[in-house]
Amino acid sequence: KAGVTQTPRYLIKTRGQQVTLSCSPISGHRSVSWYQQTPGQGLQFLFEYFSETQRNKGNFPGRFSGRQFSNSRSEMNVSTLELGDSALYLCASSNGDVNPYEQYFGPGTRLTVT
Amino acid sequence: QQQVKQSPQSLIVQKGGISIINCAYENTAFDYFPWYQQFPGKGPALLIAIRPDVSEKKEGRFTISFNKSAKQFSLHIMDSQPGDSATYFCAANLAGDDKIIFGKGTRLHILP
Repeated sequence: KAGVTQTPRYLIKTRGQQVTLSCSPISGHRSVSWYQQTPGQGLQFLFEYFSETQRNKGNFPGRFSGRQFSNSRSEMNVSTLELGDSALYLCASSNGDVNPYEQYFGPGTRLTVT
Repeated sequence: QQQVKQSPQSLIVQKGGISIINCAYENTAFDYFPWYQQFPGKGPALLIAIRPDVSEKKEGRFTISFNKSAKQFSLHIMDSQPGDSATYFCAANLAGDDKIIFGKGTRLHILP
């Protein structure tokens, strides 16, 4: 089985711009979660989608949003980028209700905001 | 109360030695305690996990020890190898919740 894939792997944006990151989960997995990883704050939960519905949300501003499509692929969007949004953005998939705790991470998208 | 506190921040161990990483939590509603391993340029990978009704779980060279009364758990890596050099994260999940609450991580370096 192919693992979780994320595109693009690297991204450089300017303050004030917006960005969209993509995540394709493991085949058959219906749950996709997003995390932000920074040296200072570590790994922090952004949100989780299951069957196209946001099921859980972390403590991030409304500039961070996401969605999930019928094929379980997910996108996250960050609007009005700030320097502090520079981070590694990771998505993880699981088979949802069957075994929700076992999550498989993608390699991440490294976002740099200048 | 939602935190998982991890120590040490970094650890250097000789090849063949035992690496020990410790974590503590406050919230007794945590139901699942996984450990993740992350290599540079990769996402975290689930290494081993334990539920609070079990005191120890072993998988190969990796063992989790769990002390429910003290609200502490630890990862032991026996016969540590240079290939084990990575960042390790302890974590916890609330019952029925996919959201993973991570510790700050331990950077482990195994000397050849």
